Amino acid sequence: QVQLVQSGSELKKPGASVKVSCKASGYTLTTYAMNWVRQAPGQGLEWMGWINTNTGNPTYAQGFTGRFVFSLDTSVSTAFLQINSLKAEDTAVYYCARTYCGADCYAFDFWGQGTMITVSS
Amino acid sequence: DIQLTQSPSFLSASVGDRVTITCRASQGISSYLAWYQQKPGKAPKLLIYVASTLQSGVPSRFSGSGSGTEFTLTISSLQPEDFATYYCQQLNEYPRTFGQGTKVEIK
Repeated sequence: QVQLVQSGSELKKPGASVKVSCKASGYTLTTYAMNWVRQAPGQGLEWMGWINTNTGNPTYAQGFTGRFVFSLDTSVSTAFLQINSLKAEDTAVYYCARTYCGADCYAFDFWGQGTMITVSS
Repeated sequence: DIQLTQSPSFLSASVGDRVTITCRASQGISSYLAWYQQKPGKAPKLLIYVASTLQSGVPSRFSGSGSGTEFTLTISSLQPEDFATYYCQQLNEYPRTFGQGTKVEIK
């Protein structure tokens, strides 16, 4: 069965970096695009962007350029989100989510369990 | 960017009630709309895609309709496990925007 398993919660100081992993199982990572979605405490869902798992080419939503980096290690079926120069406002749950596409793309059909990143001095 | 506006933002209902949530898009998105359910501390779960197609395993009391700019999610008979927050999302173009959410609580 398809699963996306993310790394555990992290507590970081402002200015530090963090790398979140999202390990895919039950399917081949490179057959579906991977998205990253942020949810700040008590807030809604915010799409951060996606990575083409065939080419490794990332696309970042406005507001997520510069400090945010999407990457892959296809040898271990894992997608990564790295956030550099962390700020208090980066405190949130971060989700990876697979895009279900046929002729077009229809939905995010499988989601990781989420990774809580807390930024505090 | 396409903005999605859900109404209401908060809904209080009883078990057995028929519940309808509306999602309005700032421009036409054909039928490229999905609905998700999120419970506290959990990841969102896909309910419906391309406006009206029920995801495998989702109970038939959930249904979706609409096209263009106006969409609805209907729960025909609310069950205790349906109390959650519901989000719409458009996949017509990038960025893949979400609505602000509708929280369904027990009356």
